[in-house]
Amino acid sequence: AQKVTQAQTEISVVEKEDVTLDCVYETRDTTYYLFWYKQPPSGELVFLIRRNSFDEQNEISGRYSWNFQKSTSSFNFTITASQVVDSAVYFCALEAGSYQLTFGKGTKLSVIP
Amino acid sequence: DTAVSQTPKYLVTQMGNDKSIKCEQNLGHDTMYWYKQDSKKFLKIMFSYNNKELIINETVPNRFSPKSPDKAHLNLHINSLELGDSAVYFCASSQDTADTQYFGPGTRLTVL
Repeated sequence: AQKVTQAQTEISVVEKEDVTLDCVYETRDTTYYLFWYKQPPSGELVFLIRRNSFDEQNEISGRYSWNFQKSTSSFNFTITASQVVDSAVYFCALEAGSYQLTFGKGTKLSVIP
Repeated sequence: DTAVSQTPKYLVTQMGNDKSIKCEQNLGHDTMYWYKQDSKKFLKIMFSYNNKELIINETVPNRFSPKSPDKAHLNLHINSLELGDSAVYFCASSQDTADTQYFGPGTRLTVL
């Protein structure tokens, strides 16, 4: 069975602070994919990143970076110099041979100006 | 040039009614999905179709019936609506079953 845990339910930061959103996953499969999605207040789900289990390289995209560590089954997401537009619910998700995404419960990030 | 579209965006209806939500993708993807997001924002897969064939049918009441007339469309029909069906329903599509899923804008269903 697959499971994704996002222990942080809500986080508030002041604009320009860095913030890390945690994601811990469980799967018995050796081949799997990890995702992050953003859900802004408008409600749509926006794809941010997909990472396969064989690629542990960290990824940076502008102010966003992701740290994948198989040893701790974690796929954490860091936003550098946060902005008000980053306020959203962020979901971590896992796909592991079941043709479906298993989502975490989401972390609501509020960036205060 | 919306990639995954859903209609309607909002749906308010009475208990016991039957309603449908339509989903279309213009990405040329082979796989489409329906997810339900409850009031606590929890997202859960309901159905998945690959090349018009049902491949995932999670434990949902049989009042929910997906229909895929072609690869670009996956509609969701709900019979005898109940209060607990109130949620946001998201359609998604991916090139294949393990690829990135792209989501539609969601349909907020409110059952009164």
